[in-house]
Amino acid sequence: EPEVTQTPSHQVTQMGQEVILRCVPISNHLYFYWYRQILGQKVEFLVSFYNNEISEKSEIFDDQFSVERPDGSNFTLKIRSTKLEDSAMYFCASRDREGYEQYFGPGTRLTVT
Amino acid sequence: QKEVEQDPGPLSVPEGAIVSLNCTYSNSAFQYFMWYRQYSRKGPELLMYTYSSGNKEDGRFTAQVDKSSKYISLFIRDSQPSDSATYLCASYPRGGSEKLVFGKGMKLTVNP
Repeated sequence: EPEVTQTPSHQVTQMGQEVILRCVPISNHLYFYWYRQILGQKVEFLVSFYNNEISEKSEIFDDQFSVERPDGSNFTLKIRSTKLEDSAMYFCASRDREGYEQYFGPGTRLTVT
Repeated sequence: QKEVEQDPGPLSVPEGAIVSLNCTYSNSAFQYFMWYRQYSRKGPELLMYTYSSGNKEDGRFTAQVDKSSKYISLFIRDSQPSDSATYLCASYPRGGSEKLVFGKGMKLTVNP
C-alpha cells in the first residue's frame, strides 16, 4: 500500500542552525502538508502546498519556515534558524484531488539543543 | 475560535469491551470528520472519515456524526490489545480550508 515516507526519523541540531526535513508524499497525490506535534500537545497545522505554491499557512509558519517541492517526488520543510521551541515531531501528509482524507508519514523527531 | 475538543483520557478497558470515543467541534462550519490512530512516537494513521450525519461502519469500527449537536464518535467493538493507542479526531474548520484541526487525543489501553 502506498505510504508517505519521511527522513530523517530523528534530527538533533543546535539552536540557530538550519534544518531541512524531507518527505516523499504518496505518488499520485497533489496536496501536501506539514504539521507538528509538541510532546503531549495537539497535532498542529503548519502549511499546505498545492500546484507549487502555499495554499494556506498557520500563524506558526513564520519567516523562519519555508517549503519546497524541488522535484517530482520530494517535499521539504526548512527551518532557517532553529529555536528550542521548535523541538517537536514534524509530520508530512498528502491527499489526492478527489478525497479529503490526509495521509500522514511516520514523522521526524526534531530536537533542538 | 475554531476548536475540536476531545474527551480527556486515559481510558482503560478489558479485552472484548465496546469502546466509545467522543469529540465535539465548536461551530457548524466544520466539515469532513476523521479519526486517526496514533501509536507512541508514530504518525497518525487514518482509520475512518465521514462527511454527513449518521453512521459509517468498517469492520469493528463505527464512526458517528451528529451535526445538530456538533458531536462525533468512534465506537470500537470487540476491542483488542492491539487497539491500544491514542485516538485523534480531526476536521476541517470550513469549506475550502486545507487545515485539519485535531483534538488532543484519547489514550486507550485494552487489557488482555
